Amino acid sequence: AQKVTQAQTEISVVEKEDVTLDCVYETRDTTYYLFWYKQPPSGELVFLIRRNSFDEQNEISGRYSWNFQKSTSSFNFTITASQVVDSAVYFCALSELNNAGNMLTFGGGTRLMVKP
Amino acid sequence: SQTIHQWPATLVQPVGSPLSLECTVEGTSNPNLYWYRQAAGRGLQLLFYSVGIGQISSEVPQNLSASRPQDRQFILSSKKLLLSDSGFYLCAWSVGDSNQPQHFGDGTRLSIL
Repeated sequence: AQKVTQAQTEISVVEKEDVTLDCVYETRDTTYYLFWYKQPPSGELVFLIRRNSFDEQNEISGRYSWNFQKSTSSFNFTITASQVVDSAVYFCALSELNNAGNMLTFGGGTRLMVKP
Repeated sequence: SQTIHQWPATLVQPVGSPLSLECTVEGTSNPNLYWYRQAAGRGLQLLFYSVGIGQISSEVPQNLSASRPQDRQFILSSKKLLLSDSGFYLCAWSVGDSNQPQHFGDGTRLSIL
């Protein structure tokens, strides 16, 4: 069965620091998809990125970057020059190919607090 | 573009009262629909999902139920609320294959007194 582990339950940084959120997954499928979501204090989950298992290119979007390493089953998320608005809970999730209903397996989340 | 509406935003209910939370999606057809619950400071728990009208799958046995009377409408109900039903309830939708993300509503904060 699939599993997603976010070992860091809470991280606190000072504004402008870089921070990396870890995500480790387990799956028996060779084709799968990984996602990151952001949950700000208002509560809604915001989709950030999707990565296919056959595409190991890292991705950068502004201050956000994602490092996908199949060899270590990790999909880590780095925020460069963090800002107070980055304070949120971040969830990593996994979807296996052909699962009925597009089910996602979520990690437990990492609460990021960015202090001014 | 697709949008998802969830209401009410907050709700305070006494123990033993009924519950009805509604979620509707606009701008897409035959979406997969989901209800999640999030306890304070905790992760997401999938409660129900639906791949079509009248098709409901339950992930966790409890006193909650779900219905999908229309293609883009998903309702979460209870006949008698328990204290343990308190939490943040999120509705989500997705379309297409398993490579597509789920998109979430703004959530309902439910407090049971």
